[in-house]
Amino acid sequence: DAGVIQSPRHEVTEMGQEVTLRCKPISGHNSLFWYRQTMMRGLELLIYFNNNVPIDDSGMPEDRFSAKMPNASFSTLKIQPSEPRDSAVYFCASSLSQGGTGELFFGEGSRLTVL
Amino acid sequence: GESVGLHLPTLSVQEGDNSIINCAYSNSASDYFIWYKQESGKGPQFIIDIRSNMDKRQGQRVTVLLNKTVKHLSLQIAATQPGDSAVYFCAENRGTYKYIFGTGTRLKVLA
Repeated sequence: DAGVIQSPRHEVTEMGQEVTLRCKPISGHNSLFWYRQTMMRGLELLIYFNNNVPIDDSGMPEDRFSAKMPNASFSTLKIQPSEPRDSAVYFCASSLSQGGTGELFFGEGSRLTVL
Repeated sequence: GESVGLHLPTLSVQEGDNSIINCAYSNSASDYFIWYKQESGKGPQFIIDIRSNMDKRQGQRVTVLLNKTVKHLSLQIAATQPGDSAVYFCAENRGTYKYIFGTGTRLKVLA
C-alpha cells in the first residue's frame, strides 16, 4: 500500500539554480497539496489542486515558484531561480476529499537546501 | 488574527505516564480538527480527528477532547512510550480545503 511518494528526499543546490520537486499522490485521491515547512512559519499551504486543476495558488511565494499537475498521478513544484530563503522541507499531501472533510496523507518530504 | 496555537512547545514525560498536549484555536466556525504526529525526518502522520458535533473521541491509546466553549483541543496519550516521541500538530478546518496547522509541540519521552 504505497503512500504519497516524493522525490528527491534531499536536495542541495546553489543559489540561482532550478529546483524541481516531484510527487506521486495516492492512487484514487482527487486532491493534491504542496506545503512548505520551516521552523519559523510551520506548515504553509503553497498550492492546492483538485482533479488536476489548480484551485488555489495564493500561497505560492512569488513568480519563482510554479507547480503543475499534468495527470492524476504526478505533480511537480519548481523553483527557478532558487534562493537561500527557499530552504525548507516541502511536503506533498493528497486526499480523497474535495471540501476538506477528510484526512490529508503526507509524503516524507523533500528537504531543500539552497546555498 | 485567526490562528491555531499550542500552549507548550516542548513536553517531557516519563515513560508509562499519560501525556496531554493542548491546542487553542480562535475561529468558532472551525468544524473539523485533526491531530498529526511528525517524527524526525518524516511527514506528518494522522493520529485522530474529531468533528465539532462531538466533544470526545477515542482511538488506540489516544483520546481527543474538544471544548468549543473555550476553543480548546487536547490530545491525550495513555501510557506514553518511547515511540511516541515526536512533534504533534493540531490542525483545524473550516469546511474547505484549507487546513490551519499549529506550530507543534515536541513530546519527549524519558526512560
